[in-house]
Amino acid sequence: AQKITQTQPGMFVQEKEAVTLDCTYDTSDPSYGLFWYKQPSSGEMIFLIYQGSYDQQNATEGRYSLNFQKARKSANLVISASQLGDSAMYFCAMRETNTGGFKTIFGAGTRLFVKA
Amino acid sequence: NAGVTQTPKFQVLKTGQSMTLQCAQDMNHNSMYWYRQDPGMGLRLIYYSASEGTTDKGEVPNGYNVSRLNKREFSLRLESAAPSQTSVYFCATQGYSNQPQHFGDGTRLSIL
Repeated sequence: AQKITQTQPGMFVQEKEAVTLDCTYDTSDPSYGLFWYKQPSSGEMIFLIYQGSYDQQNATEGRYSLNFQKARKSANLVISASQLGDSAMYFCAMRETNTGGFKTIFGAGTRLFVKA
Repeated sequence: NAGVTQTPKFQVLKTGQSMTLQCAQDMNHNSMYWYRQDPGMGLRLIYYSASEGTTDKGEVPNGYNVSRLNKREFSLRLESAAPSQTSVYFCATQGYSNQPQHFGDGTRLSIL
């Protein structure tokens, strides 16, 4: 069954340091995509980064990188050089392509606090 | 340049009342989704539609029905609202499988 798990309800990081937000998933579909979104207190969902199940290299987008370990079914988000504006909720999501009919589910989220 | 439009933005209902949340998109995306987000929690999938003419249950479909009226519109209906359905409801669309979802601004629904 399709499942996404984020085990860190809250994380603290010092400004300018790197932080890793954990995400593990479970699916029987060999074709799937993994997404990370940021939700600031204003409530909108902001797309950060995408990793496809067949992608050979880890995705990177500016200060965001995705540590994709397919065998372990993990897709951790790494934020480098944290900024105060990074304080927000972060959600991992998975979309099944074949068996799931494009079903997309989200994890429970991790609230990140960046300290000055 | 609207993207994904949800109406209404806010609504207060009494227990037992019915309500339809509307979602319309101009992204030309095939897939559309309804999620609910309770305070401090993640998004839970209620129903989704992979393409016009198809709908499927998500993680928490009980108490809801949906209609994919055409490619642009996907509505969510609460037939008999319950206080447990108090939440923020998000509509989302998605194009190709490697593209992110696009979200509406949400509907804040309170059921007394």
